[in-house]
Amino acid sequence: LAKTTQPISMDSYEGQEVNITCSHNNIATNDYITWYQQFPSQGPRFIIQGYKTKVTNEVASLFIPADRKSSTLSLPRVSLSDTAVYYCLVGPGNTPLVFGKGTRLSVIA
Amino acid sequence: NAGVTQTPKFQVLKTGQSMTLQCAQDMNHNSMYWYRQDPGMGLRLIYYSASEGTTDKGEVPNGYNVSRLNKREFSLRLESAAPSQTSVYFCASSADSLTGNTIYFGEGSWLTVV
Repeated sequence: LAKTTQPISMDSYEGQEVNITCSHNNIATNDYITWYQQFPSQGPRFIIQGYKTKVTNEVASLFIPADRKSSTLSLPRVSLSDTAVYYCLVGPGNTPLVFGKGTRLSVIA
Repeated sequence: NAGVTQTPKFQVLKTGQSMTLQCAQDMNHNSMYWYRQDPGMGLRLIYYSASEGTTDKGEVPNGYNVSRLNKREFSLRLESAAPSQTSVYFCASSADSLTGNTIYFGEGSWLTVV
């Protein structure tokens, strides 16, 4: 499985755009990049998934450069309710996805 | 939509007691998982079942056993609970563990071992 590295924590003010970058230098050709969001006392929930270039949905955008060795989750105009832990995962593989410690995003009023 | 349902939501055990956490999914998924999450930590995989009839160890299987009862249900058993097993347990499912499909999580089970 490709190992991922992401910042432990980030702070942002409300209304700002937040970019969380994840490194995955050993990503395999058939791996997808998936981001999950976890609020306190809840299970993680899927945010976005991509393979290359850019993917956008109603919640976030995911930017993946041509070499795919990193990816950036972009949250537009964050609010207090976006305070959560964000996990970057890379797969598939022969074993299920492994969650790291994620990035703890704190949004400040 | 129920999704992934796990019971109980809260449980307090004495050291040495046994218990089973139940999990069921209604999405016709092939793969199911059990994770644990300790305070301030990420999720760690305990066991998973890639398909009905198969189970495999994850990162932290010691002290646990699992049963994939059928396609819908995947239970986690603690035979002799220890304080180190105090944690939040999440059951999850996905269509297929080999294709990185979206994983759907239950609401969690808070277990305290005293």
